[in-house]
Amino acid sequence: DTEVTQTPKHLVMGMTNKKSLKCEQHMGHRAMYWYKQKAKKPPELMFVYSYEKLSINESVPSRFSPECPNSSLLNLHLHALQPEDSALYLCASSHSSGREQPQHFGDGTRLSIL
Amino acid sequence: GNSVTQMEGPVTLSEEAFLTINCTYTATGYPSLFWYVQYPGEGLQLLLKATKADDKGSNKGFEATYRKETTSFHLEKGSVQVSDSAVYFCALFTGNQFYFGTGTSLTVIP
Repeated sequence: DTEVTQTPKHLVMGMTNKKSLKCEQHMGHRAMYWYKQKAKKPPELMFVYSYEKLSINESVPSRFSPECPNSSLLNLHLHALQPEDSALYLCASSHSSGREQPQHFGDGTRLSIL
Repeated sequence: GNSVTQMEGPVTLSEEAFLTINCTYTATGYPSLFWYVQYPGEGLQLLLKATKADDKGSNKGFEATYRKETTSFHLEKGSVQVSDSAVYFCALFTGNQFYFGTGTSLTVIP
């Protein structure tokens, strides 16, 4: 069991669908992250939220839209995705974005685009 | 720039063998260093960390020492178990961002 909870665990969607991935943590962490991980590859950073404000956007296409409604929740809204967007999407959190703070990861949402 | 280089896998070992997974890094400033483990179908779990030179991180029999002179953070375990089979990622944190190595897949056979 992880302290970062991601839902759903699996998602299959068509290219015209709109869906959202959700991430929740109750550890009081103020930094939250979205990563994309393809098979047999390391995670690639997509977005960083620090104190509920977007602080890093790694040139992610606009079909991915992050949202941080409060300090415990992080969403990733998906629209008009492409087959190459199929991947494991990982959420992580840390106390802050400071150098000593390890990131705690959820188990991810495995996304398949038809 | 900042980057992490890990030894190529996959690595296959017999139970109770000694494990070393090499990791070297390039970084500006004073990075923190981490090892994460990913079991099949799961997210990444923090295995150990070190935040300054000569620090040794340890957990579950795994160890790694932050060597600034050789810019290395090699992962070691004296006696691996079948349950250690997973992918291991070396990572550094600097400038508000994590940088991951490409991962090393370990399979331990009975």
